[in-house]
Amino acid sequence: ETGVTQTPRHLVMGMTNKKSLKCEQHLGHNAMYWYKQSAKKPLELMFVYNFKEQTENNSVPSRFSPECPNSSHLFLHLHTLQPEDSALYLCASSQDWRGAFFGQGTRLTVV
Amino acid sequence: QKEVEQNSGPLSVPEGAIASLNCTYSDRGSQSFFWYRQYSGKSPELIMFIYSNGDKEDGRFTAQLNKASQYVSLLIRDSQPSDSATYLCAVNIRNAGNMLTFGGGTRLMVKP
Repeated sequence: ETGVTQTPRHLVMGMTNKKSLKCEQHLGHNAMYWYKQSAKKPLELMFVYNFKEQTENNSVPSRFSPECPNSSHLFLHLHTLQPEDSALYLCASSQDWRGAFFGQGTRLTVV
Repeated sequence: QKEVEQNSGPLSVPEGAIASLNCTYSDRGSQSFFWYRQYSGKSPELIMFIYSNGDKEDGRFTAQLNKASQYVSLLIRDSQPSDSATYLCAVNIRNAGNMLTFGGGTRLMVKP
């Protein structure tokens, strides 16, 4: 079982819907991340939380809203998305310089 | 110039051969370097990290770092069909805390 768990694994939503992605890490890490992976593009960092404080917002549109209630949980709230937002959304966590560990991802399709 | 660059491939090698994957980075102050493997439809999996010049070996994998040339590579010895995946290079850019910047990945195909 992975140390970083994401739900749901797949999500289809309309452009007027509101949905949330959930991430939980069981590794005792102090940093959590949201990444977006689109076809034929490098992984794009969206948000960073260190000790549940947001330390990075990589020019992400406001229709994506992160929430980090504690060091183990991270949410990504979605509303009024566009079809081009369809992608694999990956959560990751890290403790130090030895790299980040990813969850299984949520495959999002906006229709 | 992209911060982390990789040839997208595909790199095709026969089973049992050595696969050599390369990555260059632009920030000379980068401190640590990572290789991830990503199977189709799956999330990236960390396979190695390196932060000192030279080689680091782990089983069939060897990471090589040359900071003067801003170059990091991954060698896979005795390649197996199960090694067929996309390999992502990631760099911890200076002053970016523990955040990683990823290259676009190289697709490796190991043919039986």
